[in-house]
Amino acid sequence: DIQMTQSPSSLSASVGDRVTITCQASQDISNYLNWYQQKPGKAPKLLIYDASNLETGVPSRFSGSGSGTDFTFTISSLQPEDIATYYCQQYDNLPPAFGPGTKVDIK
Amino acid sequence: QVQLQESGPGLVKPSQTLSLTCTVSGGSISSGGYYWSWIRQHPGKGLEWIGYIYYSGSTYYNPSLKSRVTISVDTSKNQFSLKLSSVTAADTAVYYCARGDGYSGYDFIYWGQGTLVTVSS
Repeated sequence: DIQMTQSPSSLSASVGDRVTITCQASQDISNYLNWYQQKPGKAPKLLIYDASNLETGVPSRFSGSGSGTDFTFTISSLQPEDIATYYCQQYDNLPPAFGPGTKVDIK
Repeated sequence: QVQLQESGPGLVKPSQTLSLTCTVSGGSISSGGYYWSWIRQHPGKGLEWIGYIYYSGSTYYNPSLKSRVTISVDTSKNQFSLKLSSVTAADTAVYYCARGDGYSGYDFIYWGQGTLVTVSS
């Protein structure tokens, strides 16, 4: 199975800051990577698919990049409503696997 | 708008079988084109994909759970179900059903609200 890691596990940033999360796969997954946002008590929400494509209706301050084993998720200007945990997910090989998550807080 | 809703007991005794159903509205399972998945989240932890079923009945299970998992579909009721046998406290989690979209079938756009299942005597 492919293992996913994320860093950092948590971060605190100020409103307006640029926030970057990294995700690494244990083997090459091309661009078969999604990013999700999960708020407390809610189901995850798909933000980015195929590593860099913004899901319909998602604000443009969210973006993703990378291919192979190393990926980056960026919030260009952190907003209060972005407080959540963010997960990457690979779907190159079955079973699809999620990273352990990055919790984002406001400083 | 597609909606999914999990239902089932919130408390299951150790060694028994956990059974959940996901009812789909706003779209038909039998129309094909999507993988219908179960995903769980242990309290305060990350997400674990359990398995999927296609409208035809074909399935794929996470190897880590394969020996204990059965996913079935009832297209007449527009429902799919999860059975997890021989449960232990380690199976305590929020269980989500989700529709797999995209060309891969693993873009999870539509989710149920999740249901907490506690394994305890």
